[in-house]
Amino acid sequence: NAGVTQTPKFRVLKTGQSMTLLCAQDMNHEYMYWYRQDPGMGLRLIHYSVGEGTTAKGEVPDGYNVSRLKKQNFLLGLESAAPSQTSVYFCASRDGRAGNTEAFFGQGTRLTVV
Amino acid sequence: AQSVTQLDSHVSVSEGTPVLLRCNYSSSYSPSLFWYVQHPNKGLQLLLKYTSAATLVKGINGFEAEFKKSETSFHLTKPSAHMSDAAEYFCVVANFGNEKLTFGTGTRLTIIP
Repeated sequence: NAGVTQTPKFRVLKTGQSMTLLCAQDMNHEYMYWYRQDPGMGLRLIHYSVGEGTTAKGEVPDGYNVSRLKKQNFLLGLESAAPSQTSVYFCASRDGRAGNTEAFFGQGTRLTVV
Repeated sequence: AQSVTQLDSHVSVSEGTPVLLRCNYSSSYSPSLFWYVQHPNKGLQLLLKYTSAATLVKGINGFEAEFKKSETSFHLTKPSAHMSDAAEYFCVVANFGNEKLTFGTGTRLTIIP
């Protein structure tokens, strides 16, 4: 039972490069999330999805795009990376069919943009 | 919109003494609330959750939290700190439709030997 798996775990990008972070969950959860974690700011929601084929913006969506083509996968894309996107990114999933359920998190992706 | 405020960015306690991590919430409805813990360079783990069934919620590793509507608080406590409790703790609130989870800015807990 893998839970929530993020790839890659570490990445260094040059300014202007693009990349995609992959999140996969094997719990058949409806809801999936992408957060970024920066010192002193907690986790801030970038984008989220309440089901296959649906996405919505969170608090800090600028510079990111997402896709949820399959229920188990949620992709986060950076089209033109900027140093301000240096952060630790966490993916999470949650069973939205039952009320008030907790989210399960991946181990994080540490991204550095130079 | 819902939000949570963690009143202390850093708390230090001696091993064996009580722990209190404070969280106030802002919401126009009765929210779902969670506490998560993050050990250094690790992911996030659920400690406990409040879903209106009982105001005193017990979690893992001896932690508990009490939902107080009159004070809009959901403080996390533990009677006796252990060295392994050193970590960052996050208070989290779900929005009305329950799709989104909003995090507080976190409290770093240091345990003094």
